[in-house]
Order: sequence, then C-alpha cells, then structure tokens
Amino acid sequence: RKEVEQDPGPFNVPEGATVAFNCTYSNSASQSFFWYRQDCRKEPKLLMSVYSSGNEDGRFTAQLNRASQYISLLIRDSKLSDSATYLCVVGYNFNKFYFGSGTKLNVKP
Amino acid sequence: DAGITQSPRHKVTETGTPVTLRCHQTENHRYMYWYRQDPGHGLRLIHYSYGVKDTDKGEVSDGYSVSRSKTEDFLLTLESATSSQTSVYFCAISRDRGSGANVLTFGAGSRLTVL
Repeated sequence: RKEVEQDPGPFNVPEGATVAFNCTYSNSASQSFFWYRQDCRKEPKLLMSVYSSGNEDGRFTAQLNRASQYISLLIRDSKLSDSATYLCVVGYNFNKFYFGSGTKLNVKP
Repeated sequence: DAGITQSPRHKVTETGTPVTLRCHQTENHRYMYWYRQDPGHGLRLIHYSYGVKDTDKGEVSDGYSVSRSKTEDFLLTLESATSSQTSVYFCAISRDRGSGANVLTFGAGSRLTVL
C-alpha cells in the first residue's frame, strides 16, 4: 500500500470553477503536511503547508483531518495559470517525506 | 532562489557506463535527498544524507550509491547505468522553517537517458 494516495485525474475544469483535490495517508505518526505544485518538466514547488485548523492563501484552502488521515486542497476561481500537477506530501520525524503521485489539473478557457 | 544547483541538467549515456550527478547547495542545510520521478510512480527516494559522510538508503536505492564529503555537495552515482534508470532526478534539501515542520526545496532536476 502506498504511503500517500491521490486521484491522478486529470481534472478538466473551466476558468472560474472551484475544484477540490483529496489525498489520504497511511502513517498515523505523520507530523507535517504540504501541497506542492509541479509544472510540466519543472521541479515541485511548495504551494502551501497544511495545518490542523485549516489554512487559506488567497484562492487556495487546505484542510487536514487527522482522524481520517485525509488532506484536501480547494482552489476557487480557477485560472489558466493554475494548470499543473498538485502533489500531496506528508512528512514525519521532521526530515522524512512521502509523496503522492500527483493530481493533474487542466483549466480550460 | 533556493540555492540548489544540479549538474548536469541533461545527460544521455549508454548502458553500462558510470554516471555521476551532482547536487550543490549554498545554504549549509544538513539534510539532502536524491529522488527520481517516473510517470505513474511519483517521486521516490533513492538516498538521503543527514550530514557529511552520513547517508542512508531510500526506497529505490538498488543500483545507486551516494557520497557527501562536504556539506554543500551530495553526489549520486550510477555505477553501471541501465535503461531502467532513465528518469528525471531531483535533489532536495530540508529547510528548517523554525516552526518544527521542515520543508523540502528542490533543485531544477537532471534528466538522464540511458540508451
């Protein structure tokens, strides 16, 4: 069983739509949670950390449910520039990290 | 700029030849990592280092070795490259943000093709 599982998509949405991605993790000892964005043929870049209380950064909202071992990312008012692959990342023991395979988002005009 | 440089960025080689990829950081971070990324598999950890001369295996370490003789450099070596090692290789550092949650920052990647 993979440590982190994501729906690979692709999610094809029109501009302006709201889209949500989910991710589950198997290690209950996980301590830190992140969403990364990866553009085609580029390195992953940190989009946002995910906190138990939920957190928001502009159009992006992340949620963590430790009881269900579930992480989500909500993107509101999608832009063409949001098209990318979104990686769910889970960390434990401060310096060990596991990655989901990524969810591909295509935002169409 | 995260201060991570990978070299070479692109390499084509033949089966059976040795290959070394270099990761250089300018920020004195203790933890460094090598990942490979393949379609359908996501990012998989090859080896990591937690200090000079301190390294450990990741989930896909077979066929790879690493060395870290100084803090700023982490080398990944394929002793005898095989076609299954054709991949994109990412180096990363773990950056302490001071809140107890370290964050990974990646280099730009090295694209390796083994013919």
